[in-house]
Amino acid sequence: GAVVSQHPSRVICKSGTSVKIECRSLDFQATTMFWYRQFPKKSLMLMATSNEGSKATYEQGVEKDKFLINHASLTLSTLTVTSAHPEDSSFYICSAKDRGTGELFFGEGSRLTVL
Amino acid sequence: QKEVEQDPGPLSVPEGAIVSLNCTYSNSAFQYFMWYRQYSRKGPELLMYTYSSGNKEDGRFTAQVDKSSKYISLFIRDSQPSDSATYLCAMSEHSNSGYALNFGKGTSLLVTP
Repeated sequence: GAVVSQHPSRVICKSGTSVKIECRSLDFQATTMFWYRQFPKKSLMLMATSNEGSKATYEQGVEKDKFLINHASLTLSTLTVTSAHPEDSSFYICSAKDRGTGELFFGEGSRLTVL
Repeated sequence: QKEVEQDPGPLSVPEGAIVSLNCTYSNSAFQYFMWYRQYSRKGPELLMYTYSSGNKEDGRFTAQVDKSSKYISLFIRDSQPSDSATYLCAMSEHSNSGYALNFGKGTSLLVTP
């Protein structure tokens, strides 16, 4: 089946630094990718929707200057957490919608720990 | 995001038991209902996908949607230890572009040998 690769799977960084997370669709083109954040014992919260070649649409309460999303190609979207703080520590998951079938596939997630 | 209610559990059952997982929701516009399974430290994987009301069966899994009650269920027959995971319900108003999903909190299931 289709695979969505997310990298890195784990990252630890110091407070104030920026971290980039990549989401790649390996064998299909994804016109739309979604970024979610998951806290322990909480539901997946949609952060933003990105469409290839256009600006991302952010959910209410999500700071667009803090969580920079770029969807430069049909197979790659990136999430950059800028000036990370301990409260940004979380599990970030991307999903990609297959351009051909419309199916939605999830990445394996990236666990961010900000010290 | 619209709210979806799901009991987080944990739910512990013996191997071979029938498991019933449920979600309720308040948005009557939801038409597409999904169940995802998520193993620890992994991303969610789609188990079942249902459009509108009715039942859908796939092997040991059965998904039910009752739109009149705004209630969806996932049944697992002959449960196995490998079914131990967190099960997330998700729903959406649309199937086409956008496809933003509204997730429940997930129910943690433990199947003991």
